[in-house]
Parts: sequence; structure tokens; C-alpha cells
Amino acid sequence: EPEVTQTPSHQVTQMGQEVILRCVPISNHLYFYWYRQILGQKVEFLVSFYNNEISEKSEIFDDQFSVERPDGSNFTLKIRSTKLEDSAMYFCASSGGGTGNTIYFGEGSWLTVV
Amino acid sequence: KNQVEQSPQSLIILEGKNCTLQCNYTVSPFSNLRWYKQDTGRGPVSLTIMTFSENTKSNGRYTATLDADTKQSSLHITASQLSDSASYICVVSMILTGGGNKLTFGTGTQLKVEL
Repeated sequence: EPEVTQTPSHQVTQMGQEVILRCVPISNHLYFYWYRQILGQKVEFLVSFYNNEISEKSEIFDDQFSVERPDGSNFTLKIRSTKLEDSAMYFCASSGGGTGNTIYFGEGSWLTVV
Repeated sequence: KNQVEQSPQSLIILEGKNCTLQCNYTVSPFSNLRWYKQDTGRGPVSLTIMTFSENTKSNGRYTATLDADTKQSSLHITASQLSDSASYICVVSMILTGGGNKLTFGTGTQLKVEL
């Protein structure tokens, strides 16, 4: 079965540093997403991306965050100047066209800010 | 405020037994309702997707129901197995203006299946 792959699986970074989380969505998918899950809490929507632009973002996704699809296969989430509260599992997801399509999630990148 | 509430918060059952998990939502506008299974430290895996007009959907030992009038859903698991131990999350989807879906997750029901 096709899968969404994410790297790194775990990253530890110092507060104030920039991190880039990388994702390879399923190859023929059109919609790409980032979600995050703080330890012990529910999964939260960050941003959706379609046709090379952000289609929706949550209030969490402030100027500290950015997304990019630099080469047609990778989909990245950049967090500038990380804060302690950015520590979470970040999930990349993708889906094909149509609103009823399955949204496939990657295994996540666990970010620890110290 | 868009919310998805689930009950019970946690559940322990014996292997081979059945169980039913509940979900109530207040998400609007509603597109579809999904159930996901999430193992600890792993990404969510889709179990079922139901649109407004569907009131039941099965996937193997999983059967989901949806009552769009009362905004309630349930997930029934039959003949439970040890590998069913996981968090089961009710997720409601809204259609985005540019296409795609925005998912609102519940807090999940933590299921443990024991011998």
C-alpha cells in the first residue's frame, strides 16, 4: 500500500533554532497537510496545501511556520525560531482529489525543543 | 466552536468480546465523518469514511454508524483481538474552499484488549 514518508522521525533542537520537517506524500495525490499532536492531546490541523499554495491554515500556523513543495515530490514544514511549546509530533498527510477521499498520514516527526 | 467529543475516554475488554465507541460532534459545515485508529507514537490510520447520506459503513470487524440529524456516530468492533489495542479517533471533515478537507479530531477512546 502506498504510504506517506516523513523525516526525521525524531529531532531535538535548541530553542530559537530553525527546523525543517520533510515529507514525501503519495505520488499522485493533490492535497497535502500538516497536523500536529502535543503529547497527550488530540491531533490539530495546521495547514493545507493545494496547487502550490496554502488553501487553509489554522491560528496555530503563524508567521513562525511556513510550508513549501520545492521539487514536486517533497513537502516541507519549516519552523523558524522554535519555542518550547513547539515540542510535538508533526504529521504530514496527503489525499487525492475529491472531498471523500482517504487522507493518509505519515508516521510523524517527533520534535523536542530544549 | 467546532468540537468532537468521544466516550468512553478509555475502555478495557477481553479478547473476543465486542465493544462500541461513541462520538458526538458540532462541526459545521459537515462534509464527512471518519474513524481512525492510532497506535501509540504512530500516525493515524483510516478505518471508515461516511458522508451525510450514509448511516452505516463496515470495514472488516469495524462497523461505523452515523446519525447526521443528532450528530452522533459510533464505531462497533466485533470479536476483538489483542492488536486492536489502540486509540480510536472520531474525525469530522469540512470541505475547504480550495478543495481538500480540514479534519477536526476528537480526543479518542483508548482501547485495551486483554487476554
